[in-house]
Amino acid sequence: DTVLTQSPALAVSPGERVSISCRASEGVNSYMHWYQQKPGQQPKLLIYKASNLASGVPARFSGSGSGTDFTLTIDPVEADDTATYFCQQSWNDPYTFGAGTKLELK
Amino acid sequence: QVQLKETGPGLVQPTQTLSITCTVSGFSLTSYYMQWVRQTPGKGLEWMGFIRSGGSTEYNSEFKSRLSISRDTSKNQVFLKMNSLKTEDTGVYYCASRGNYPGTPFAYWGQGTLVTVSS
Repeated sequence: DTVLTQSPALAVSPGERVSISCRASEGVNSYMHWYQQKPGQQPKLLIYKASNLASGVPARFSGSGSGTDFTLTIDPVEADDTATYFCQQSWNDPYTFGAGTKLELK
Repeated sequence: QVQLKETGPGLVQPTQTLSITCTVSGFSLTSYYMQWVRQTPGKGLEWMGFIRSGGSTEYNSEFKSRLSISRDTSKNQVFLKMNSLKTEDTGVYYCASRGNYPGTPFAYWGQGTLVTVSS
């Protein structure tokens, strides 16, 4: 299976820029997606196919990458962005998710 | 407005069969793929399988021997059945929709239903 590796946690101050990385154990073309999950809620799609902003998602969120290395950037970070962020690939079978990066605000 | 809602038993005994229903509104099951994804303390988010808009299914090999996904388009419902439950299957089970094109993301998710496997 394709393993997606994310850093476990980050802490930033409001107004700063943060980059969350996701590294795949094998190539996934551009078929990497990013989700935001707040406690007690379902995941919410933020970015699809590496760099496309999902409907209704603020332009503060952006994505980049291809192949095995991908990045989700939030600029500027707001208090409401406190959440866990997951990457997910849909190029290789089975689809897999990263373990998530928990973003905390200082 | 797209809505998905899972309904499950809450508590299931080990070795028993889990049955969950996902009821959707705002779109047709014959136009979208429907996935099941679970989130467990031990393994995090796991894609379990999907049913295509045409009705055929695809399963993660991790679950293939004990998982079945079906649907009733007249009732706008998708079903998950998984047998031989273990305590490690405890977690939140989500249904999610995605487009028909290969590799599309899970655009809409239900709120999830918590399943506890315990005697």
